[in-house]
Amino acid sequence: KNQVEQSPQSLIILEGKNCTLQCNYTVSPFSNLRWYKQDTGRGPVSLTIMTFSENTKSNGRYTATLDADTKQSSLHITASQLSDSASYICVVLTGAGSYQLTFGKGTKLSVIP
Amino acid sequence: DAGITQSPRHKVTETGTPVTLRCHQTENHRYMYWYRQDPGHGLRLIHYSYGVKDTDKGEVSDGYSVSRSKTEDFLLTLESATSSQTSVYFCAISDPSTVNTEAFFGQGTRLTVV
Repeated sequence: KNQVEQSPQSLIILEGKNCTLQCNYTVSPFSNLRWYKQDTGRGPVSLTIMTFSENTKSNGRYTATLDADTKQSSLHITASQLSDSASYICVVLTGAGSYQLTFGKGTKLSVIP
Repeated sequence: DAGITQSPRHKVTETGTPVTLRCHQTENHRYMYWYRQDPGHGLRLIHYSYGVKDTDKGEVSDGYSVSRSKTEDFLLTLESATSSQTSVYFCAISDPSTVNTEAFFGQGTRLTVV
């Protein structure tokens, strides 16, 4: 069964600090991996999409890494801001012909002053 | 929010009643999806559509039906609502011409079945 596991479940950091969120997946066949940000009461919004051949991709203060050999990804947030408080969801797209996304449960990040 | 509108945004209904949620898009994307989001779970696919009148089941389709009579609208019907269907429902759209095509999500519908 395709699975995406994220850690930690929740995280509290001080404004201005950095943090790293983890994602492990067992999805086959793998097509790409996405990180989404979901603010409370809103739908998920894409941060990055990485294919098998990409190791790192950045979007402003967000940097995602992918190790396709170990099936691990991380999302690093630099110089956190209060507006970074949200759930961050790791999502893997299977390459099985249909556009099927497998979602992790998310990491809830709280940035405090 | 990429031209996706879900309605209603909030609904409270009684057990056993039918409920229909609507997803409307203005992007002309071919694929439309319905997911549910519950505490302790990732988003789970209920049904999806890959064209007008073309739909297929997801992993949690029992108790739900869908219809897509035109490109822009995708309806999700709970045939006889149960308390286990209390959830937040998200519609998503995409046009997967390539695997890196983005998926866009609506704002969600919070459904409470009492």
